[in-house]
Amino acid sequence: EAQVTQNPRYLITVTGKKLTVTCSQNMNHEYMSWYRQDPGLGLRQIYYSMNVEVTDKGDVPEGYKVSRKEKRNFPLILESPSPNQTSLYFCASSLGWGENTEAFFGQGTRLTVV
Amino acid sequence: GNSVTQMEGPVTLSEEAFLTINCTYTATGYPSLFWYVQYPGEGLQLLLKATKADDKGSNKGFEATYRKETTSFHLEKGSVQVSDSAVYFCALSDPLLSGGYQKVTFGTGTKLQVIP
Repeated sequence: EAQVTQNPRYLITVTGKKLTVTCSQNMNHEYMSWYRQDPGLGLRQIYYSMNVEVTDKGDVPEGYKVSRKEKRNFPLILESPSPNQTSLYFCASSLGWGENTEAFFGQGTRLTVV
Repeated sequence: GNSVTQMEGPVTLSEEAFLTINCTYTATGYPSLFWYVQYPGEGLQLLLKATKADDKGSNKGFEATYRKETTSFHLEKGSVQVSDSAVYFCALSDPLLSGGYQKVTFGTGTKLQVIP
């Protein structure tokens, strides 16, 4: 089954404790992205990757890091989480973006930073 | 920059009612337009899309027409069901930018609740 898998689904952590949210896709997609979803703000892109070892900042990259060492994996790293990073996070992948592609989303990771 | 504006929700309808969720956009080029749906506890799924002016996207009884003159892409369904209760996101994909990446911009989402 074609899917994007995120882990964990729920995470409560304390300020400053480094964490990683994993994302894996089994569709051989080149493009992967991370979004955060906040009430009233919709989805905002954090980082994206066009291929292995190619990553770039989205609209709200501050406080986040990513890596793309393999095509299937795109982890999101919070080196020193803060309460304003409490949010619902989604990973997405696609063959490409634009008119002929469909984005596949993971089920989300709800992060709470206290 | 690009932006997508959706009507604020929540929208509450009775089963079999007609649905319209408004979406307007601002873009520098000639974007592709999308509607995504998010069911409770799940990620977003593509509902329908349109790639050029006057195109109509349709799926599962939902329709939306790409109106360049009014920069709109309103979502409609003739008869909603309880199972349509979800959050709906309008989105646009910019034309090719530098490096081959086409950025997607999402609206804030509109929550639809259908009551029996």
